[in-house]
Amino acid sequence: GAVVSQHPSRVICKSGTSVKIECRSLDFQATTMFWYRQFPKKSLMLMATSNEGSKATYEQGVEKDKFLINHASLTLSTLTVTSAHPEDSSFYICSAILPRIGETGGGGRGKNIQYFGAGTRLSVL
Amino acid sequence: AQSVAQPEDQVNVAEGNPLTVKCTYSVSGNPYLFWYVQYPNRGLQFLLKYITGDNLVKGSYGFEAEFNKSQTSFHLKKPSALVSDSALYFCAVRAQPGAGSYQLTFGKGTKLSVIP
Repeated sequence: GAVVSQHPSRVICKSGTSVKIECRSLDFQATTMFWYRQFPKKSLMLMATSNEGSKATYEQGVEKDKFLINHASLTLSTLTVTSAHPEDSSFYICSAILPRIGETGGGGRGKNIQYFGAGTRLSVL
Repeated sequence: AQSVAQPEDQVNVAEGNPLTVKCTYSVSGNPYLFWYVQYPNRGLQFLLKYITGDNLVKGSYGFEAEFNKSQTSFHLKKPSALVSDSALYFCAVRAQPGAGSYQLTFGKGTKLSVIP
């Protein structure tokens, strides 16, 4: 079953509004989560690394004031697209790393693996 | 810097035939290698990984991949393709722990089409 839940799966909004996307680890604590953006027929582009209790680390070229990341708990990271514009329309995917041995949760699933949410299709009109 | 190359944008194979999706990588030190599959409008699903040990790795849905250090390759294979295997496949790499990062670098993806 899914280990990472991402919500909403699809959102349509007007230009200028803000949109929040949630990423939850379901039965483990994820100190690190990642946010990716995927363009049509393209690979995944890492936007930022979300670290629980500290500021996110953004990749070069990603506007941190545009894409706000909050990782306030060990099971939830949120990405807020502020003042969205049509060029922000894309498929956004989060992932979480299963904890290493000795850390909390994860059951029998594989360590060192990034598990991905189902993605959020954002369409800005 | 690490990188992944998937030289084929698309692979077509007849149902029941063996399939191969190619991947080569570049990384400092020993690699962690992964294959993921993506169905339309969905996130990525983990298929298999190579960390250490046997070069032939078996994964989900009958897929396997062979790690070849000398050729820096990690090709994905399946003996008999199913129509339901049609999807987008991503190869990914990261350096082993100690490099200070869990970040994955993905290939551009290969679209697999299995023809009935």
